[in-house]
Amino acid sequence: DTAVSQTPKYLVTQMGNDKSIKCEQNLGHDTMYWYKQDSKKFLKIMFSYNNKELIINETVPNRFSPKSPDKAHLNLHINSLELGDSAVYFCASSRGVWRSSYNEQFFGPGTRLTVL
Amino acid sequence: KQEVTQIPAALSVPEGENLVLNCSFTDSAIYNLQWFRQDPGKGLTSLLLIQSSQREQTSGRLNASLDKSSGRSTLYIAASQPGDSATYLCAVREETSGSRLTFGEGTQLTVNP
Repeated sequence: DTAVSQTPKYLVTQMGNDKSIKCEQNLGHDTMYWYKQDSKKFLKIMFSYNNKELIINETVPNRFSPKSPDKAHLNLHINSLELGDSAVYFCASSRGVWRSSYNEQFFGPGTRLTVL
Repeated sequence: KQEVTQIPAALSVPEGENLVLNCSFTDSAIYNLQWFRQDPGKGLTSLLLIQSSQREQTSGRLNASLDKSSGRSTLYIAASQPGDSATYLCAVREETSGSRLTFGEGTQLTVNP
């Protein structure tokens, strides 16, 4: 199946731990994103990479560090987890960036992170 | 700063009704607008993408319109079905923001059989 996939789907961990969420897309897209959906269901961009290069870096604590080993993967590493990090994290991808007509974004199923 | 608002926040209708979901945005300098559907506990499914130069897009029973100058979009769902029950999100891509999407808070739709 062609899709954006994320692992794990659920992640429950203690405060202070370090965790990673992985994202892979097999759509041949050049651009990948991380979004955070908070408890009020509001979605907000965190990061975006184009061909392994960081192009969007929103005001996110530096405990969050994205890593893109290749253009098909964008992982999210979170250090020293805090209660407020509990949310659903969505990965997305699109074919183009900037003034591109191929900018439709396709989303993964989400990772529900719960910090205890 | 771009702000996207969706009205109503929740909507409950009987099966078979035609309905309209509204989305407004404060900065009309957008490149495109995308409508998504999100089922409980699931990811987002892209429904329709409207480029800023377009006025509307249609897919099956869905029709989305865009009035860029007034900062508005509507999603029209014809002959609603219980399977249409979900949260509908609109998101805009601004001309100067690179690839990011700015989302509204969504309309939670319930179609009752």
